[in-house]
Amino acid sequence: GAVVSQHPSRVICKSGTSVKIECRSLDFQATTMFWYRQFPKQSLMLMATSNEGSKATYEQGVEKDKFLINHASLTLSTLTVTSAHPEDSSFYICSASLGRADTQYFGPGTRLTVL
Amino acid sequence: QKEVEQDPGPLSVPEGAIVSLNCTYSNSAFQYFMWYRQYSRKGPELLMYTYSSGNKEDGRFTAQVDKSSKYISLFIRDSQPSDSATYLCAMRTNNAGNMLTFGGGTRLMVKP
Repeated sequence: GAVVSQHPSRVICKSGTSVKIECRSLDFQATTMFWYRQFPKQSLMLMATSNEGSKATYEQGVEKDKFLINHASLTLSTLTVTSAHPEDSSFYICSASLGRADTQYFGPGTRLTVL
Repeated sequence: QKEVEQDPGPLSVPEGAIVSLNCTYSNSAFQYFMWYRQYSRKGPELLMYTYSSGNKEDGRFTAQVDKSSKYISLFIRDSQPSDSATYLCAMRTNNAGNMLTFGGGTRLMVKP
């Protein structure tokens, strides 16, 4: 149980384009989903928290107009990196929680490379 | 000072050894403690999830929480090369929703 998927697993795009990453909870309904960014050999950096049907809460320093998060259903959240630049290249990981008393279950991650 | 401290390693052990991974923390309000395993270029996988102080065992893994010392441990018995990964400790308070505070991760290498 508690399986989270991400799509795509890897994406390469040109500078200036937008990229959408999907995060799905496959066998449970996630009241809350989280988006993280991870640089090589570093720990997870929380970007934003989203609850189904409401606006995402962004961490300090994360541009909400650049990283658009939509949590349209209890099983799907999307992260869109708009007008991507090479410095946005990173490993993006989502996680999902069943409820307030639950922990987070992580997806397999998406490696974004912006040329 | 970070809220959660974790030695980055790398920690190198021979196959079959007992591994001890540790985290210290400063926030006494943390009540829930987790250990995640992360293989290279993969998402973290939940290994252990404990509440408050005490021990929890699951197969070759044992998690210990000592709230009085603000210290948590993960022990791996009979370590295998497949245990080679980065281990992240994480914790949260009662009223932080599902927000987790992570340690920086310890890289473990088990050599055959």
